[in-house]
Amino acid sequence: QVQLVQSGAEVRKPGASVKLTCKASGYTFTTYYTHWVRQAPGQGLEWMGIIIPSGSTNYAQKFQGRVTMTTDTSTSTVYMELRSLRSEDTAVYYCAREFVGGYWDYWGQGALVTVSS
Amino acid sequence: QTVVTQEPSLTVSPGGTVTLTCAASTGAVTSGNYPNWFQQKPGQAPRAMIYLTTKRHSWTPARFSGSLLGGKAALTLSGVQSEDEAEYYCLLSVGGAWVFGGGTKLTVL
Repeated sequence: QVQLVQSGAEVRKPGASVKLTCKASGYTFTTYYTHWVRQAPGQGLEWMGIIIPSGSTNYAQKFQGRVTMTTDTSTSTVYMELRSLRSEDTAVYYCAREFVGGYWDYWGQGALVTVSS
Repeated sequence: QTVVTQEPSLTVSPGGTVTLTCAASTGAVTSGNYPNWFQQKPGQAPRAMIYLTTKRHSWTPARFSGSLLGGKAALTLSGVQSEDEAEYYCLLSVGGAWVFGGGTKLTVL
């Protein structure tokens, strides 16, 4: 069955970086795109960016310069690094799958990132 | 920066029908915005319900339907059940980026 399994919760101090993992299984990894979406406590969903299997990326303007998404097709894993963390980055971070052409379906379970001094 | 607007909250009676809408600040929503709809319950990851404006996933109950209505994307729930109480988010593709609506909290009462 299709699964997107994310790494666990993280705690960071302001100014630090965090790198999250999303490991895919149960499907042909190279035929899907992967998005990262975050949700601050009590808030809505926010799109952060997309990475396609070739490694090409497109980041939301808000995160450009602070986020890097990478992929390892040999292990069907996508990584998302967010730098210069501030308290407002405290959120649950999700990865989600898209089949080419706007077909979103499966999501990871989410990973809570807490930024606190 | 495109803003996607949804009703903040709606209330529906069990067995009733309700329509949630999704508007884009850039103009009319079309199928080219690839509208998707997600359901999210407290403490859970979002669950995809509708993609490509009208298409249901294999797990989406038939009482959920998507459409374009008056320049907006719409999600209609017919024969609402108590388990449908949740937050619903629309998602649009706009200029190479994706934008979520602010969400609609649906109460079944």
